[in-house]
Amino acid sequence: DAKTTQPPSMDCAEGRAANLPCNHSTISGNEYVYWYRQIHSQGPQYIIHGLKNNETNEMASLIITEDRKSSTLILPHATLRDTAVYYCIVRLGAGGTSYGKLTFGQGTILTVHP
Amino acid sequence: NAGVTQTPKFQVLKTGQSMTLQCAQDMNHEYMSWYRQDPGMGLRLIHYSVGAGITDQGEVPNGYNVSRSTTEDFPLRLLSAAPSQTSVYFCASAGRYEQYFGPGTRLTVT
Repeated sequence: DAKTTQPPSMDCAEGRAANLPCNHSTISGNEYVYWYRQIHSQGPQYIIHGLKNNETNEMASLIITEDRKSSTLILPHATLRDTAVYYCIVRLGAGGTSYGKLTFGQGTILTVHP
Repeated sequence: NAGVTQTPKFQVLKTGQSMTLQCAQDMNHEYMSWYRQDPGMGLRLIHYSVGAGITDQGEVPNGYNVSRSTTEDFPLRLLSAAPSQTSVYFCASAGRYEQYFGPGTRLTVT
């Protein structure tokens, strides 16, 4: 699976958009970009994933550059409850020998301030 | 639908003791896995299973055994606990694209 690079920490004011960048310059054509977050000591929580098109769900938006070498997770209106560690992970989709495996890096600690 | 459940939530063991961490899911997922998370670190894969009767090693399998006799359950066994196994253990099951994690078991080995 491709390696990802994320800033170690970011701050955001409550109510503003939080934009979390991720670099994955060695991504291959059949690898997806996934985002998970871990709030305090809880188990990681899936946020969103994408292959090459931008994606949006009820939690966030995912913007993937045209060359797929980087992406940005956008939390449109951050709240205090969004304070967490955010992990950007690149992996194959379902099927294949790496099915289900997630390789977690250090992630980005997002702190949302009042 | 309880999702992924783990027991116990907390456990203290003495060096050399053995124990089993329990994990169950009610989503009929074929894929299940165990991760450990040390302080300030990301999660590391211990073992995984792609279906009943099939298991394989992850990144850090030493000192742990798993079995998968049913789709629902995926227990993790510590054979002879060591202080280096002090960690938080997460079980997960995978749907087609996303993984669902349990709440974790916090294990301390003294």
